[in-house]
Amino acid sequence: SQQGEEDPQALSIQEGENATMNCSYKTSINNLQWYRQNSGRGLVHLILIRSNEREKHSGRLRVTLDTSKKSSSLLITASRAADTASYFCATDQGAQKLVFGQGTRLTINP
Amino acid sequence: EPEVTQTPSHQVTQMGQEVILRCVPISNHLYFYWYRQILGQKVEFLVSFYNNEISEKSEIFDDQFSVERPDGSNFTLKIRSTKLEDSAMYFCASSSQGPSTDTQYFGPGTRLTVL
Repeated sequence: SQQGEEDPQALSIQEGENATMNCSYKTSINNLQWYRQNSGRGLVHLILIRSNEREKHSGRLRVTLDTSKKSSSLLITASRAADTASYFCATDQGAQKLVFGQGTRLTINP
Repeated sequence: EPEVTQTPSHQVTQMGQEVILRCVPISNHLYFYWYRQILGQKVEFLVSFYNNEISEKSEIFDDQFSVERPDGSNFTLKIRSTKLEDSAMYFCASSSQGPSTDTQYFGPGTRLTVL
């Protein structure tokens, strides 16, 4: 199996609810980044968390990293319709590249 | 806010033709990357470029692919003889420092369709 696997693959919630997406990886990393992609569009960087950090916040986003479990989570609080997108985690393993997961497709229902 | 730009947004070509995808990274960035995303699949790394040379490439990046920084602003990806399976969205990215320490900023992508 591959690095940066997100879970769930798809998530549908009501506007205003919180959305939690998880990412697991297999090898040691230097950092982990979360990106958002609207349908057919480019990748928008959301947040970078380094391997020596456990939690990071940015606006309505909260990211955690557990290097012992090789996992990360992205929490979006008070979701909005505009948050509808695919969310990807990407790991840096120190090889001049990012390794992306399959992504979680998030749908926010009004 | 500075951003990575890519042209064209959509390129249609015949199998066997050469294509050049263009990118303008963020101006003070030193590290440049190409990734691709086949429809419905994950984003895959192709190549990283620093100090005018390739620093890392994936097994996808075979002899049909090449990259170049022809001047101080552009970063190009050339596919010499396109195949049907090259159809994908190609993303350029740049960072001011290496990927171990810094965010990679992505462009909007070029959708390549090979007929």
